[in-house]
Amino acid sequence: GNSVTQMEGPVTLSEEAFLTINCTYTATGYPSLFWYVQYPGEGLQLLLKATKADDKGSNKGFEATYRKETTSFHLEKGSVQVSDSAVYFCALKYSGAGSYQLTFGKGTKLSVIP
Amino acid sequence: DAGVTQSPTHLIKTRGQQVTLRCSPKSGHDTVSWYQQALGQGPQFIFQYYEEEERQRGNFPDRFSGHQFPNYSSELNVNALLLGDSALYLCASSLGGRDTGELFFGEGSRLTVL
Repeated sequence: GNSVTQMEGPVTLSEEAFLTINCTYTATGYPSLFWYVQYPGEGLQLLLKATKADDKGSNKGFEATYRKETTSFHLEKGSVQVSDSAVYFCALKYSGAGSYQLTFGKGTKLSVIP
Repeated sequence: DAGVTQSPTHLIKTRGQQVTLRCSPKSGHDTVSWYQQALGQGPQFIFQYYEEEERQRGNFPDRFSGHQFPNYSSELNVNALLLGDSALYLCASSLGGRDTGELFFGEGSRLTVL
């Protein structure tokens, strides 16, 4: 079945450090890939997405590239801020007909210290 | 513009009891999905409702049931509660005609079963 594996957290970085959160997936066909973020006290919100191989999703300085050959969708940001402290979830959606669910990874908690 | 609202935010039940959780989707959205998020885990898909019908169901027992009303709001019912049902229950809304995987989440209802 479909599954998503994220790097274990928590991750603690100093402000302005480079961030990478690894995500790999197992899926049939060609899924769409997502990063969702959960800030403290808030609901999950979509950060970025990519729908086909070699697509790059980007938002708020975060980027992730859909790599079919390595089945990966790693999240990166060049310079993190304290306000980026949150839990980040990688997710996929199977592209087949009749499939409406998202499959999430376990999440990676990021703490950014000044 | 109101986002996804869920009620109650917290509740405590005992084993064997029944619970009903409620969700109002984001304005303009017609599709509601429910997810269960155990502590330290990613959200797991329970089911999705569109046009007042269950469109897809995840790997959850029949004790979990739902309903969608003509105004698109939704309820999640869980019967015969088990300790393992303790979790954060997330409601997410979207536009059913465009199944892009882009979901808007509420803050969740935290259920504790004693």
